[in-house]
Amino acid sequence: AQSVTQLDSHVSVSEGTPVLLRCNYSSSYSPSLFWYVQHPNKGLQLLLKYTSAATLVKGINGFEAEFKKSETSFHLTKPSAHMSDAAEYFCVVSDRGGADGLTFGKGTHLIIQP
Amino acid sequence: DAGVIQSPRHEVTEMGQEVTLRCKPISGHNSLFWYRQTMMRGLELLIYFNNNVPIDDSGMPEDRFSAKMPNASFSTLKIQPSEPRDSAVYFCASSSTTGRQYFGPGTRLLVL
Repeated sequence: AQSVTQLDSHVSVSEGTPVLLRCNYSSSYSPSLFWYVQHPNKGLQLLLKYTSAATLVKGINGFEAEFKKSETSFHLTKPSAHMSDAAEYFCVVSDRGGADGLTFGKGTHLIIQP
Repeated sequence: DAGVIQSPRHEVTEMGQEVTLRCKPISGHNSLFWYRQTMMRGLELLIYFNNNVPIDDSGMPEDRFSAKMPNASFSTLKIQPSEPRDSAVYFCASSSTTGRQYFGPGTRLLVL
């Protein structure tokens, strides 16, 4: 069985400051891990994907995430927040690279203060 | 490419009525997924198909829910009879052999 835990339901940062969204995972296999973003009343957009290649994954819009097997973590970071980053972020795990359906975390609501 | 297409985008119905949600996957994709998003439970996988065959329907809540994929370009999710607790946003996603899933815009369902 696989699962993800997003450690913060809400994160608030000031524009221009770093963003850290935390995620821990549990998987019986070598997992594939994803971060998706959902803007209000919009669909889901893939930010980045880890599939056992480089442990530091770079995504779109300046986001990146680091896979740490020893800590079972896959935290999402961005050096400088922009107002347009305000959205809901989901950490996601799959045991088969996404081919078998995705298991979503509960989501972290990112608030950007001007 | 038009991406994954879902219809309707919004649906309001009364308890007891039948609801049919539709999805057209990206052309050439061989897997299709149905997800449901609610405030209480977050995003959950309901069912997925591979080459039009249902592979895992363990997420389907109960017998009132059914899904079909009669061909590679069309799938339906049906709720009969609908109940207020079925109110949610239903997403369809499709993927090719790479495994990356592309999501549709969702159908927002309200059952009164």
